[in-house]
Amino acid sequence: NAGVTQTPKFRVLKTGQSMTLLCAQDMNHEYMYWYRQDPGMGLRLIHYSVGEGTTAKGEVPDGYNVSRLKKQNFLLGLESAAPSQTSVYFCASSLTSGGTDTQYFGPGTRLTVL
Amino acid sequence: AQSVAQPEDQVNVAEGNPLTVKCTYSVSGNPYLFWYVQYPNRGLQFLLKYITGDNLVKGSYGFEAEFNKSQTSFHLKKPSALVSDSALYFCAVSPWTYKYIFGTGTRLKVLA
Repeated sequence: NAGVTQTPKFRVLKTGQSMTLLCAQDMNHEYMYWYRQDPGMGLRLIHYSVGEGTTAKGEVPDGYNVSRLKKQNFLLGLESAAPSQTSVYFCASSLTSGGTDTQYFGPGTRLTVL
Repeated sequence: AQSVAQPEDQVNVAEGNPLTVKCTYSVSGNPYLFWYVQYPNRGLQFLLKYITGDNLVKGSYGFEAEFNKSQTSFHLKKPSALVSDSALYFCAVSPWTYKYIFGTGTRLKVLA
């Protein structure tokens, strides 16, 4: 099992450019999450999904969109990147409800917006 | 507002000594409590969790955590620290069905 994988590992964008981060899990988990990690702020939830075809906003959703067309994939999109979106992005998944179950994290994507 | 506090940005401990990484929380109800560890350039890895029952929870790599309801704390402990324990540790609390609140993280440095 690969667990949770993220593509790409690193990316540099210019302000205004768009991109999509891909998260894939092979554990048949229902729940998936996107977080961003910034120094001194811990992890903050951007969006999450409780199943295929469903998404919901987290703590800091502005400037991001997500889609969960397939159970194993959870995509995070930035339509018009801003320097404030420079961060490390982590995807996670859990078998059952993420608040009560262990979450499994991907290795992260380091994004720099110039 | 519901929150999690890790009051120490960094904890230094000598190898072989006991270690404690502190976590306190302010949430309503009876939340689930977690500890995760992050090694450099890696994602978070689960260490242990408290749901109910015994206040002392044992987890991976010899770590344990003590839940104290009256002090709303969930401190991470290990009797004898290893250099390889050096990493960033996150406390997380779940007052809701689907989501965690993470603390800001504590960097543990174990000195040889």
